[in-house]
Amino acid sequence: GENVEQHPSTLSVQEGDSAVIKCTYSDSASNYFPWYKQELGKGPQLIIDIRSNVGEKKDQRIAVTLNKTAKHFSLHITETQPEDSAVYFCAASSEYSGGGADGLTFGKGTHLIIQP
Amino acid sequence: DSGVTQTPKHLITATGQRVTLRCSPRSGDLSVYWYQQSLDQGLQFLIQYYNGEERAKGNILERFSAQQFPDLHSELNLSSLELGDSALYFCASSVDGRVNSPLHFGNGTRLTVT
Repeated sequence: GENVEQHPSTLSVQEGDSAVIKCTYSDSASNYFPWYKQELGKGPQLIIDIRSNVGEKKDQRIAVTLNKTAKHFSLHITETQPEDSAVYFCAASSEYSGGGADGLTFGKGTHLIIQP
Repeated sequence: DSGVTQTPKHLITATGQRVTLRCSPRSGDLSVYWYQQSLDQGLQFLIQYYNGEERAKGNILERFSAQQFPDLHSELNLSSLELGDSALYFCASSVDGRVNSPLHFGNGTRLTVT
């Protein structure tokens, strides 16, 4: 099955700096890569996703890049703000895995801390 | 607000007991998912339902069971509880249950087994 590794487990950056979180996956058939943000006391919330037919996607201060050859994808947050402090999860799935949610594999999460 | 409602928010119970967690999916979503989150295991997929039928099963223990009702709400039943079952339990929903569809998570039920 798919294996998703996420690094780092904790990331502390100064407010206004950029943050980068990296994930690698093992199944070359994976073609959907969402990122979820989990704030304290809440459930994960989808913030951006990318499909394997594109290499980069941006949404304001957030961008995701995908390198299919190397089987890794990254989340980039620019001009970080205090409200960016949260746990971020990457995930990977393949529509060829059987179709059910057992085909979606999450990374273990990155705790992002924005220092004032 | 994701539109997914989970009750109760907190649950404290003793070992050996049985509890029921409830989830109402976002309006229009046909598929419901259950995840367990503990500190060292991240988000673990338990089970998925689509329009009342079981769609996929993950690492769900035999002591746990779930169902999705005709009105699309779902319940997760946990029995013979052990200390290790203490965790956050999340429900999520999606419109069509496809693996590449975005998930909408509720705010979870925190279960403490003493």
